[in-house]
This record gives sequence, structure tokens and C-alpha cells, in this order.
Amino acid sequence: DQQVKQNSPSLSVQEGRISILNCDYTNSMFDYFLWYKKYPAEGPTFLISISSIKDKNEDGRFTVFLNKSAKHLSLHIVPSQPGDSAVYFCAARGGGNKLTFGTGTQLKVEL
Amino acid sequence: EAGVAQSPRYKIIEKRQSVAFWCNPISGHATLYWYQQILGQGPKLLIQFQNNGVVDDSQLPKDRFSAERLKGVDSTLKIQPAKLEDSAVYLCASSSRQGNTYEQYFGPGTRLTVT
Repeated sequence: DQQVKQNSPSLSVQEGRISILNCDYTNSMFDYFLWYKKYPAEGPTFLISISSIKDKNEDGRFTVFLNKSAKHLSLHIVPSQPGDSAVYFCAARGGGNKLTFGTGTQLKVEL
Repeated sequence: EAGVAQSPRYKIIEKRQSVAFWCNPISGHATLYWYQQILGQGPKLLIQFQNNGVVDDSQLPKDRFSAERLKGVDSTLKIQPAKLEDSAVYLCASSSRQGNTYEQYFGPGTRLTVT
């Protein structure tokens, strides 16, 4: 039972354009959603989060949108930079601060 | 501020052997997590500690995996005996309360290959 899904295993975007990464979830009890970024041979690093009571959170070039009725969230990166090339994991927080992760999307930003 | 430390970074063992991983969380973080990340998948929580007590070990294969966090600081995760399907990256994370969120900070992981 995969409660958090990232249906696009990979995404390729040109430098300067917008990157949109998507995530769907099934458990309506999740209260926080987080995006983590992972470079090869490193652990995931926290990028941005959003509470279930909000529909948007912005931090610099990164914006996360939450559509609770559709159980869908997305991460927008504008403008995309080559250093943004990494695997992005969507995670949802349940009881006891337990995170459930999606399978990740490999973003490649091309020059 | 020092991050989460893990060792070793890489380990290759044969099936049926045993292996242990070590984690030192960020100073002051009461909560420690061990995750298993199989290639092509997201991290999956194995066990969560609050100080030196276990909060959640529902996904830990207890017939072969064990973990402890003595004195509520460092932690070790052990696999005995290892199976081929245990090949994965083992991630340790720690957290403390930051406002309303409990952001988790991850270490670099230990890549285990079982042959």
C-alpha cells in the first residue's frame, strides 16, 4: 500500500525554465508535507514543507502547492538551475512524526 | 553545527554474515530514526527512538534486525544474518522540534551490498 506516490521517475528541464514535480497521497490524516533533495552518495536534505492547513508555501525559488481535495502537492522551482539536478522526494508526516516517502523524481536541469 | 554522522560509508558482506552500522545524531536531538532505502525506492522507516526508548519498530524485521540507542545518543543497527534482499542504503536521521514541524536531518548513509 503506497500512501505517497511520485508517478514521474524522471524530469528534464532547461536551465531558466520552471520545474514542476508532482506528488499524490492517499492518507487524509497526514498533517505536514515535506520535500527533500538528494544528491548521489549523500543523505536527503530538507528543502521546503507545508502544513495541511495551508495551500501554498514559498521560499526563494521554491514553492510548494497543496490541493487537499485532490490529495495532491507539487513543487515548483523557478528559475531552474543546473545545481538543482538531484532526486527529489516527497514525504508526508503522520502520527509520531513518522515520515512516509515517495519513490522520488530524478530532475535533470540542462544547459 | 555538526550533522548526523554514520559509519561505515560502504560495506560488502556475504549472505548469512552479520553487520553493524553506527550513527551519531545532531547534538541535542532527542529523536533518532533508521531508514532503509532500496535502489529505486524512497526511504522506509525501520525504527524510531525517542531518547533511548523505541517509539515505532513496526517495520523492523525483528528476526534478523536489531537496534539500540544506549544513553539516548549514539545508535547501532545490526543485521544478523544478512540476506541478499538487505542490500540497500541505511540512513540515519535525527530531529527535534522546530516550531510546528519536526524536520528530520539525514546522515550520508551506509551502502550495504550483500553477495
